[in-house]
Amino acid sequence: AQSVAQPEDQVNVAEGNPLTVKCTYSVSGNPYLFWYVQYPNRGLQFLLKYITGDNLVKGSYGFEAEFNKSQTSFHLKKPSALVSDSALYFCAVKESYIPTFGRGTSLIVHP
Amino acid sequence: GAGVSQSPSNKVTEKGKDVELRCDPISGHTALYWYRQSLGQGLEFLIYFQGNSAPDKSGLPSDRFSAERTGGSVSTLTIQRTQQEDSAVYLCASSLAQGMAGELFFGEGSRLTVL
Repeated sequence: AQSVAQPEDQVNVAEGNPLTVKCTYSVSGNPYLFWYVQYPNRGLQFLLKYITGDNLVKGSYGFEAEFNKSQTSFHLKKPSALVSDSALYFCAVKESYIPTFGRGTSLIVHP
Repeated sequence: GAGVSQSPSNKVTEKGKDVELRCDPISGHTALYWYRQSLGQGLEFLIYFQGNSAPDKSGLPSDRFSAERTGGSVSTLTIQRTQQEDSAVYLCASSLAQGMAGELFFGEGSRLTVL
């Protein structure tokens, strides 16, 4: 069975500093990995995905994620955080047609 | 519209009443998902429709929950005899790709409050 873990409920970072939101996964085969962002009172919005190929994936709003097979991780990163990046971030894994989502990490960027 | 549309956006009901939540997916998207998001929880999978295939109902928490998708488009999630623990945001998503690589496009959700 597929599973995903987001070990941090909340990440705090100062504006302008780099940010990392962690995600680890467990699958029996090759994973398809996704990051989504949820702003208050909104649905989830797709940020980026890893299917195959380069381990570093670039997505919307300057975000990127690095796929690490040996560590079974897919951490979300951004070189310079903005206050407007404050939101809830979800990692998801797909080994079948139905994605499994993590519990979410609340990112708070302080001015 | 261009996105996934859900209605109602908010629903307050009394315990024991039935509710229906509607989802209108993006035109042409063959896959449709329902998830439930409770406070402090992640997204809980409920049901998956793909084209005209039989739906995957493995996530429905009890037989009080049911869903249908008419004409491969609009879907309705029905909760019978609502309980307070059913209070949550119900999210619908659709996807274009039949394969596993496709990302999901989510609606803004229907917030259900059971008093």
